[in-house]
Amino acid sequence: EVQLVQSGPEVQKPGESLKISCKGSGYIFTNYWIGWVRQMPGKGLDWMGIIYPSDSDTRYSPSFQGQVTISADKSINTAYLQWRSLKASDTAMYYCARQEVALGHVDVWGKGTRVTVSS
Amino acid sequence: EIVLTQSPATLSLSPGERVTLSCGASQRVSSNYLAWYQQKPGLAPRLLIYDASSRAAGVPDRFSGSGSGTDFTLTISRLEPEDFAVYYCHQYGISPITFGQGTRLEIK
Repeated sequence: EVQLVQSGPEVQKPGESLKISCKGSGYIFTNYWIGWVRQMPGKGLDWMGIIYPSDSDTRYSPSFQGQVTISADKSINTAYLQWRSLKASDTAMYYCARQEVALGHVDVWGKGTRVTVSS
Repeated sequence: EIVLTQSPATLSLSPGERVTLSCGASQRVSSNYLAWYQQKPGLAPRLLIYDASSRAAGVPDRFSGSGSGTDFTLTISRLEPEDFAVYYCHQYGISPITFGQGTRLEIK
């Protein structure tokens, strides 16, 4: 079964750093792109960026460029989303999502990682 | 970037009814690369339709997508109780990929 398993919920303080993960299984991890999608409380979906784990080719939405870092470790079939300095406005659910191509639809979603940033 | 506008924002209907949800794009969607997702509370979105009209695996045939260029629709031919959810359109033809703001389908 194709799955994206995300890391657990996080509660962090403003200014702290954070890295959340997404592990793929049931398919050849390096043949697909992994994207990240934000959903703020009660709001819609925001596409953040995407990575091709085979060569770490990474693309960001202009809204998120410089705000987060997307990376991957193909040796352990895992993609990451990282913040250097969290803000309260980063409080959201973050989904990882599989795409066959960089400009493609999402066919498999992770269950999401809830990130709460509060002092 | 392409802005997707979904209408209406909320729709109140009864099981058994037919519904059409709309998604308008601020510019032409390349190659009709438009998808529809369903999201229920507390769950991740689920792919229903891709490439404007192709049904994803396992999606009931009461769901259908149509449209081209800048105007797209998702039709549910006969609402089942499990169809009440939020629906998002999504264009992936031009970077950056964008989503509509969603249409909430609620039980009347």
